[in-house]
Amino acid sequence: NAGVTQTPKFRILKIGQSMTLQCTQDMNHNYMYWYRQDPGMGLKLIYYSVGAGITDKGEVPNGYNVSRSTTEDFPLRLELAAPSQTSVYFCASSLKGGGGTEAFFGQGTRLTVV
Amino acid sequence: GDSVTQMEGPVTLSEEAFLTINCTYTATGYPSLFWYVQYPGEGLQLLLKATKADDKGSNKGFEATYRKETTSFHLEKGSVQVSDSAVYFCALLTGNQFYFGTGTSLTVIP
Repeated sequence: NAGVTQTPKFRILKIGQSMTLQCTQDMNHNYMYWYRQDPGMGLKLIYYSVGAGITDKGEVPNGYNVSRSTTEDFPLRLELAAPSQTSVYFCASSLKGGGGTEAFFGQGTRLTVV
Repeated sequence: GDSVTQMEGPVTLSEEAFLTINCTYTATGYPSLFWYVQYPGEGLQLLLKATKADDKGSNKGFEATYRKETTSFHLEKGSVQVSDSAVYFCALLTGNQFYFGTGTSLTVIP
């Protein structure tokens, strides 16, 4: 099984450019999440979705947008890249919320904004 | 709000040493608790979990017990190996969201 797949693995952006980080899962999970991981800061939730057509903000949503048109895909959009968005981004999915349901993670996208 | 506090690293141990990584949490309601492990260049992988008070999660020689009275979920292993070198994250799940600690880097030397 592929699980959670993220593309690209690495990307360098110039300030002001835009890009979309792709995330797809093949486990038919309802819940999907985007996190950013900064050194010494753990993971911060950017956006999450509890099903197709439903998204909600997490702890650090500013500068990002998401959509969830299908169960499988949950792309993250950066419209005007800023150096503060240099980070490692992880997409995750889970079958449902609560009840000890584990989250499955992709391998991450390392983004540098220069 | 809900949060997780875990022991800061880095931690360096000799092979076969005993490992403890402390984790405490703050949550309303009855969260589920997890330990995830991250190897270099990879995403997080579930190591173990516990869903209610006094549950013990275990996997690959690692253990953690859900202690409601002390709001803790400390990770332990009796004898670490070089292959255990990684970053370990404590996490809680409440409602729709996971909350992660800042991670503890472990290096095991031969």
